[in-house]
Amino acid sequence: TQLLEQSPQFLSIQEGENLTVYCNSSSVFSSLQWYRQEPGEGPVLLVTVVTGGEVKKLKRLTFQFGDARKDSSLHITAAQPGDTGLYLCAGAPHETSGSRLTFGEGTQLTVNP
Amino acid sequence: NAGVTQTPKFRILKIGQSMTLQCTQDMNHNYMYWYRQDPGMGLKLIYYSVGAGITDKGEVPNGYNVSRSTTEDFPLRLELAAPSQTSVYFCASSYPRGEGTGELFFGEGSRLTVL
Repeated sequence: TQLLEQSPQFLSIQEGENLTVYCNSSSVFSSLQWYRQEPGEGPVLLVTVVTGGEVKKLKRLTFQFGDARKDSSLHITAAQPGDTGLYLCAGAPHETSGSRLTFGEGTQLTVNP
Repeated sequence: NAGVTQTPKFRILKIGQSMTLQCTQDMNHNYMYWYRQDPGMGLKLIYYSVGAGITDKGEVPNGYNVSRSTTEDFPLRLELAAPSQTSVYFCASSYPRGEGTGELFFGEGSRLTVL
């Protein structure tokens, strides 16, 4: 079983601060996705990273896939209350068949005005 | 656009009762999934299907059954409900790997409490 560990589990910050969330594994993934989930809703995809070392930006959010494709990070610049939510990373297996994602346990982010 | 639709949104069951969570998608996705999410935890895969007539177990299949008679529908059946099955259940769908972005599209969830 491939495991993904996210840290921190909880994060409460003030509006305007920067933060980084980490997603780590001892296994290699062919790709890694980041989702955001708001209360009472299902997760929604933010980004998919595929290539080792890849960096993707989505407005104030920067996503990076580790060179060895075992870890990823999400950095938010100048956080806003609208960024509040549960952030989940999910890795796709290295094998060539199947679509079963492994999810991390999530980072609950609260941005206070 | 409806996307993935789950019913019911909320349900309270007594221990030993059975029920079916319904899931339907209108995106013509081949792949469908059922996950459960416990408080403070990520998503655990219960069952998944790569197409009509094909289902397979995920990480936590015990106590559940699924069927996939059509591309659109993927119901999840709970037999002999137990308190350990109290959770939020999410249905999701996607294109097969190699097609599209691999994004999972989730329903809004079904909150189940077993007392």
